[in-house]
Amino acid sequence: NAGVTQTPKFQVLKTGQSMTLQCAQDMNHNSMYWYRQDPGMGLRLIYYSASEGTTDKGEVPNGYNVSRLNKREFSLRLESAAPSQTSVYFCASSTIWGDQQPQHFGDGTRLSIL
Amino acid sequence: GQQVMQIPQYQHVQEGEDFTTYCNSSTTLSNIQWYKQRPGGHPVFLIQLVKSGEVKKQKRLTFQFGEAKKNSSLHITATQTTDVGTYFCAGQGAQKLVFGQGTRLTINP
Repeated sequence: NAGVTQTPKFQVLKTGQSMTLQCAQDMNHNSMYWYRQDPGMGLRLIYYSASEGTTDKGEVPNGYNVSRLNKREFSLRLESAAPSQTSVYFCASSTIWGDQQPQHFGDGTRLSIL
Repeated sequence: GQQVMQIPQYQHVQEGEDFTTYCNSSTTLSNIQWYKQRPGGHPVFLIQLVKSGEVKKQKRLTFQFGEAKKNSSLHITATQTTDVGTYFCAGQGAQKLVFGQGTRLTINP
């Protein structure tokens, strides 16, 4: 059971470069999420997709874009990376949006921007 | 907007001591979830509380949901080195799940 798979696991970028973080889940979940985790800040929601075909901003969306490619895949794009975006990024999925459903997380992408 | 505060931020205990982390929401919650993240790992769902005043146990872990559904706690009895990690509460308000900052637990064997 793969669950939620994120690629890459590690990445170093230079300021101004762009990149896309990939996420795929094989649990037939409808909802998917992108979080960033910074020391002392917990998990902050960047964007979410309640269902295939929809995406919405979370708490900290500035500097990011997302694409829900299909039911399985949800990507996060940094168009022009900034040092403030150095963080650990987690993708998660749940059965349906809201309604007391636990979230299943991927292993994370550790991103450093120089 | 909805805020979830968690205290303490860090806790260091001797193996065998008890540990408690507290979670408080600025708004009434429909449910609260608890997650554990091992060092270098990802958050893993532990449990969900839905009812006012609910208490659930998982072996040495006891989870409580307050009567007003605005606060919660996780208590670990007689900690073991396998309990090391960061414990997050996550409160669900209208729809979104909002995570607390987490409590990082370290244990001296």
